[in-house]
Amino acid sequence: QKEVEQDPGPLSVPEGAIVSLNCTYSNSAFQYFMWYRQYSRKGPELLMYTYSSGNKEDGRFTAQVDKSSKYISLFIRDSQPSDSATYLCAMSKGGYNKLIFGAGTRLAVHP
Amino acid sequence: EAGVTQSPTHLIKTRGQQVTLRCSPISGHTSVYWYQQALGLGLQFLLWYDEGEERNRGNFPPRFSGRQFPNYSSELNVNALELEDSALYLCASSLARASYNEQFFGPGTRLTVL
Repeated sequence: QKEVEQDPGPLSVPEGAIVSLNCTYSNSAFQYFMWYRQYSRKGPELLMYTYSSGNKEDGRFTAQVDKSSKYISLFIRDSQPSDSATYLCAMSKGGYNKLIFGAGTRLAVHP
Repeated sequence: EAGVTQSPTHLIKTRGQQVTLRCSPISGHTSVYWYQQALGLGLQFLLWYDEGEERNRGNFPPRFSGRQFPNYSSELNVNALELEDSALYLCASSLARASYNEQFFGPGTRLTVL
């Protein structure tokens, strides 16, 4: 079993839809949870990070962490074609520990 | 401010050859991480260097190695290339003492092994 599970999709939605992306994990030691966005032929860029459980909002993006269920989510409101990318969840025990990534979910937002 | 840079952009090699990939971190960052992104496998952690020392290593064979220079730039070396080494190799840098080690990624080097 992988430490971090993420449905690779692809996920196709119409412009303006609310998108829900999810990851589950098995290691209860993870403390930091991140979402990266990766456009085709580019490196990943950090979208949001959350420490421990809770919600965090930034514009159209909301990240949620439920440590009791070992489940994290990223919601995108009013999705735009420019949101079309691969979204990667990542987790860390904190400090100087490595990031463990999910496989990434490909999202396509069509006009 | 310049981001993480990597060279070369693309590389084609044949089985058994050796390759060296290079990474320059963001100015002020002392930690450099290397990841392999093979098709369908997501990002797999390879190596982490901080202050010139190897701090952690992923589950890869010893033919994957690297080093970090005094200016914090880094090289990743892969010996005896195999077909399955074909992947995008990503470098990331961070401030070593950041509380959650936010990592900033470069554009990657795409390696094709024939």
